[in-house]
Amino acid sequence: AQKVTQAQTEISVVEKEDVTLDCVYETRDTTYYLFWYKQPPSGELVFLIRRNSFDEQNEISGRYSWNFQKSTSSFNFTITASQVVDSAVYFCALIKGGSYIPTFGRGTSLIVHP
Amino acid sequence: DGGITQSPKYLFRKEGQNVTLSCEQNLNHDAMYWYRQDPGQGLRLIYYSQIVNDFQKGDIAEGYSVSREKKESFPLTVTSAQKNPTAFYLCASSKASGSYNEQFFGPGTRLTVL
Repeated sequence: AQKVTQAQTEISVVEKEDVTLDCVYETRDTTYYLFWYKQPPSGELVFLIRRNSFDEQNEISGRYSWNFQKSTSSFNFTITASQVVDSAVYFCALIKGGSYIPTFGRGTSLIVHP
Repeated sequence: DGGITQSPKYLFRKEGQNVTLSCEQNLNHDAMYWYRQDPGQGLRLIYYSQIVNDFQKGDIAEGYSVSREKKESFPLTVTSAQKNPTAFYLCASSKASGSYNEQFFGPGTRLTVL
């Protein structure tokens, strides 16, 4: 069975601080896909990024960056120079190869204060 | 614009009543899902469907029922057998079964049992 752990329930920062959201996963499969989603106060989850288990390259998209490390089974998400609009709940998810049902973490609530 | 619509946004129900939550998508996606979200619990899968006229129970299907008569529609009925139905309900869809496909989410329905 798969498991995704987001140990940080809530993080509070002041605008312009950098913040890292942790995601640790467990799976016995060699093929799997990792995802991050953002859930703003409006409620609708929005897809941010996908990574497959064979691609450990880190990715940067504007102020967002992702660090995938198979050695530690982690897929962490960093927001640089956080902004109030980044305030949301962020979910990490895993889908094992051959399935299409994700296992979600419990989410991390990020609050960015002006 | 392509997307997922859920209605109503807020729903109030008296104990003992069944209620149906609507979910419609025009993304031409084959797979559709229903999740329940409670504070601090993350997303829990209720039902999912890969094709028309076929659906599978998720982790917390008891007290819920679904139908998939059309590709675009996946309504969820919360029955009186559901012991604690007050929650936020999210509908999602994804392309035909593929582990790498991200999910697209609707804006959610907040159900309150009075």
